[in-house]
Formats: sequence, structure tokens, C-alpha cells
Amino acid sequence: AQSVTQLDSHVSVSEGTPVLLRCNYSSSYSPSLFWYVQHPNKGLQLLLKYTSAATLVKGINGFEAEFKKSETSFHLTKPSAHMSDAAEYFCVVSDFADKLIFGTGTRLQVFP
Amino acid sequence: DAGVTQSPTHLIKTRGQQVTLRCSPKSGHDTVSWYQQALGQGPQFIFQYYEEEERQRGNFPDRFSGHQFPNYSSELNVNALLLGDSALYLCASSPRREREGWQFFGPGTRLTVL
Repeated sequence: AQSVTQLDSHVSVSEGTPVLLRCNYSSSYSPSLFWYVQHPNKGLQLLLKYTSAATLVKGINGFEAEFKKSETSFHLTKPSAHMSDAAEYFCVVSDFADKLIFGTGTRLQVFP
Repeated sequence: DAGVTQSPTHLIKTRGQQVTLRCSPKSGHDTVSWYQQALGQGPQFIFQYYEEEERQRGNFPDRFSGHQFPNYSSELNVNALLLGDSALYLCASSPRREREGWQFFGPGTRLTVL
């Protein structure tokens, strides 16, 4: 069965510094992986997706993620954090029937 | 394009009551999935509808049921409400033909059970 583990429940960074949100996955076959962001009182927005094409995936708002099969990881990064990046981030894996399986989430705080 | 719309935005019910939540998918999408997001947790898959049939179901009791209409819109029904059913209910839509797994989410319905 597929699953994802988000290694940090909270991450705090200063504005302008790099962001790293960690995610490990478990899958019996080549997975489809996603990062979603949820701002307070808003729905989930797709940041980026990996679907067995290029291992380095670029998303919206300057976010990237790299699929590393050897490490079963799909970490989310951004070179320079903005205040508007403060939100809850979810690493997600899709099973073969398109059911999305969410991690427990990482709350990103950005300090000025 | 309005994206995925859900109604109502908020709802307050008492234990034992029944509730119906509604969802209209993004234009061009024919598959609708429902998720429950309890406070402080990630969304949990309830079920998915395609061609007016339930195609997949998560680990939720039969009190949770749904329907999809010919225009692809969908309803989620919960009977005999429990306090633990208090959550944000998210609807997501996707185009079946693409099968890349990603889904487009609506803003959710916040259900409070007293």
C-alpha cells in the first residue's frame, strides 16, 4: 500500500532564507507524487506533481521538488521564503485508482 | 471558470441528524472525490464517483453515502451524525481521461456537530 511520511510537523524560517520540507514515500510501484498547499480557511492548491517524467519538478511560486527513488524521498524546496508562503503543506501520493493519500502535513512559519 | 464549488460553506448540526453537502466540479472534469479533514490532520479519502457510480471507497462507515448526477455534480450524505463527524469536507474533481492522479479541490464545507 502507498503511504507518505512528512518528517517535520513544523518548520520555521526567516524571510529570504531557503525552505526545505521533507517527505518520504512508500509505494510498491512507480508512484505519482504531489505537494499541495493549504492556506488558512482556504482549499487545497496543487503546488507541483511528479508523474514519472523528469525527476526535478518545478511548481508554482518558485517551489521545486526532486524525486529520489534510491532514497524514496520527494522533498519540497524553495530558495527564498516569502511571508505569503506561510501555510500548511501536504505531501501526497496517488494510488493506481487515483485515490489521494495525504501526509500529516507540515506547518511552515515565515518570520520577518 | 469557477473551479470546484461547494455548498454550504458552513453547517451546524446536532448529533443524530442527517446532512447533505453539495459539490460542482471544475468545468471539463467528470470524476468527483470526497475527503474529510479533521482539525490538525491531513484529508482522508471518503469515496470517488465516476459515471454516476461509486468507484472507490475509503475506510468510512455506511453512514456516509453519496451520489453523482448526470451533470457530474455530486452530493455527500451523512446520517446519524456523531460528534466525531465534525470536520472540513473537501470535494475534488479531476478529468478521468488524464489519469495522472492530481485533483482540483474546492474550498470545503465546515461541518460542526453539537
